[in-house]
Amino acid sequence: AQKITQTQPGMFVQEKEAVTLDCTYDTSDQSYGLFWYKQPSSGEMIFLIYQGSYDEQNATEGRYSLNFQKARKSANLVISASQLGDSAMYFCAMREGGTGNQFYFGTGTSLTVIP
Amino acid sequence: DADVTQTPRNRITKTGKRIMLECSQTKGHDRMYWYRQDPGLGLRLIYYSFDVKDINKGEISDGYSVSRQAQAKFSLSLESAIPNQTALYFCATSDMRGFNEQFFGPGTRLTVL
Repeated sequence: AQKITQTQPGMFVQEKEAVTLDCTYDTSDQSYGLFWYKQPSSGEMIFLIYQGSYDEQNATEGRYSLNFQKARKSANLVISASQLGDSAMYFCAMREGGTGNQFYFGTGTSLTVIP
Repeated sequence: DADVTQTPRNRITKTGKRIMLECSQTKGHDRMYWYRQDPGLGLRLIYYSFDVKDINKGEISDGYSVSRQAQAKFSLSLESAIPNQTALYFCATSDMRGFNEQFFGPGTRLTVL
C-alpha cells in the first residue's frame, strides 16, 4: 500500500483564491510527522510546513495551513490568497517512527495559478 | 553559500559506465539521504545514513551504492549505469533534533544513454 497518496495530479486556481491540495497517509505508528514541500520549475525542494501526529492544532505558516484530520489520515495543504509564484509541484511527505527513520513522499500535485 | 551542495549538477553518461554523485553539507546534520525523482513517481529513497558508520537501504537501492566519507559528505555510485537510472537525484540532510525537516540539495540531473 502507498504510504502517501496525492490524488490530484494537476490543479488550477485563480489568483487570489484559496486552494486545497489533498494528501492521505497510511501508517500504524502513533508518532509520525507530515510535511509539505514545494518544487518550482527550477527544481529545488522547498520546505513549507510541518505537522506532528501529536499536535492538536493545525499547523500554519503564513499563507500555508495544514488541515490535519487524524482519524481520516489526511493532511491537506491549504494555500490562501494564491499568487502566480505559487505555481509549482507540491509534495506531501511523511516521516514515520518518532524522530528518525525514512521519509515517504507522494507523487505530487502540479498547481497552476491563473491570472 | 548553499548549505547542501551536489556535484555534478548535470551529467550525461553511457550505459555500463560507473558514475559517482557527490553531496556535501555545512549544516552539521548527522542524517543524510539520497533520493531519485521520476516524473509521476515523486521522490523515492535510495539510501540513507544516520552517521558515518550507519548506512541503510531505502526503497530502491538495487543498482546503487553509497559511501559516507565524513559527517558532511555522502556519495552515491552507480556501478554500471543503465538507461532507466536516468532521473533527477537529490541529496538531503536532516537534524535528529526538532522535527527532522529535510533540507535538499539542488539536485543532479543524470542522463544515461
